[in-house]
Amino acid sequence: GQQLNQSPQSMFIQEGEDVSMNCTSSSIFNTWLWYKQDPGEGPVLLIALYKAGELTSNGRLTAQFGITRKDSFLNISASIPSDVGIYFCAGREAGANNLFFGTGTRLTVIP
Amino acid sequence: GAGVSQSPSNKVTEKGKDVELRCDPISGHTALYWYRQSLGQGLEFLIYFQGNSAPDKSGLPSDRFSAERTGGSVSTLTIQRTQQEDSAVYLCASSRTDSYTFGSGTRLTVV
Repeated sequence: GQQLNQSPQSMFIQEGEDVSMNCTSSSIFNTWLWYKQDPGEGPVLLIALYKAGELTSNGRLTAQFGITRKDSFLNISASIPSDVGIYFCAGREAGANNLFFGTGTRLTVIP
Repeated sequence: GAGVSQSPSNKVTEKGKDVELRCDPISGHTALYWYRQSLGQGLEFLIYFQGNSAPDKSGLPSDRFSAERTGGSVSTLTIQRTQQEDSAVYLCASSRTDSYTFGSGTRLTVV
């Protein structure tokens, strides 16, 4: 089955620092998405990527669709306390009905 | 409605009992998905509905799990003869494009 490896599993950073996390897949994806999940809530979409090499920003967040189509990264610049949560990558293979999700990166921001 | 609505938000049930979880998707979204999130884990795909097409049930873990979607809108996920390993958060999402909108989930605890 599909393997989606997300790293790191958890991060503890000081407020103001930059953060980077990434995902790699065992197969080629034609869509990569990044979600954030707060406690007791469902994941919320942050950034969607649809083309190899695409680099997209959403405020302090930047994500890239790897040129091999098997990886993606998410950067958060100048972290703030409300960035705390679990970040999930997700990807879709061509012709597939569903998204595959990574196991998540738990981010803690220390004020 | 404005978002994906799930009910109940929490459910505690005795082992061996049946449970029904409800999802009310965003109006106009033709695709509906059920995912399961175990503690500290990523999201595991269960089932996908698209319009009037036959559902993709490839993620259902056993024949104790079933789902239906009536009138192309509300969906019900049923778990029969619940087991302790069924304890998890069950998330529903709907979409019109590649990006999903998730509900807040139903936290199921089997005791």
